[in-house]
Amino acid sequence: DAGITQSPRHKVTETGTPVTLRCHQTENHRYMYWYRQDPGHGLRLIHYSYGVKDTDKGEVSDGYSVSRSKTEDFLLTLESATSSQTSVYFCAISESYSGTEAFFGQGTRLTVV
Amino acid sequence: AQSVTQLDSQVPVFEEAPVELRCNYSSSVSVYLFWYVQYPNQGLQLLLKYLSGSTLVKGINGFEAEFNKSQTSFHLRKPSVHISDTAEYFCAVRANNAGNMLTFGGGTRLMVKP
Repeated sequence: DAGITQSPRHKVTETGTPVTLRCHQTENHRYMYWYRQDPGHGLRLIHYSYGVKDTDKGEVSDGYSVSRSKTEDFLLTLESATSSQTSVYFCAISESYSGTEAFFGQGTRLTVV
Repeated sequence: AQSVTQLDSQVPVFEEAPVELRCNYSSSVSVYLFWYVQYPNQGLQLLLKYLSGSTLVKGINGFEAEFNKSQTSFHLRKPSVHISDTAEYFCAVRANNAGNMLTFGGGTRLMVKP
């Protein structure tokens, strides 16, 4: 299995509070991604990174920010959590722009009450 | 932009029966196609992928899929399912000019009954 660790695995937070999710990889892959999974929508891309300090928006980026200060860590921050951000969040990594496979972490279940 | 439609949200099937999970996509450019499986409380695991060449692709756990360009489909099949195949299955596409960014379908929950 690819070395991807997401933390925390479960979190309950209150509306309006900031939340940071962490993705840590030991594969030295250049590309990292954050997806959210919701019933009926599959997985949707929030943000991705193509190198240290290089990030870009995905399909559903509103309300989220990311940072990548080291190759191995990719942080997802909800600046002010809302109930619509209750979801399961997955981190993924891939080796290169044309790499043929993305590897996924175990997911973080976030509940905003 | 790409889109993926998985036509069935749930597929119940008896053990040892054949199964087909349907996937259709739309894209203005050529694509690469993937099927992922998600077991309960786990991340996604790659089942198989089509990049080029033979349109019939074989994957892990006895699954296979066939790329049909004219029908823009990439249906997943298994001739005989096991209880352990119960999981959610996701079809995904990546445009050949989109790096490794995947567009996923909504998922199909395969429920294998004894």
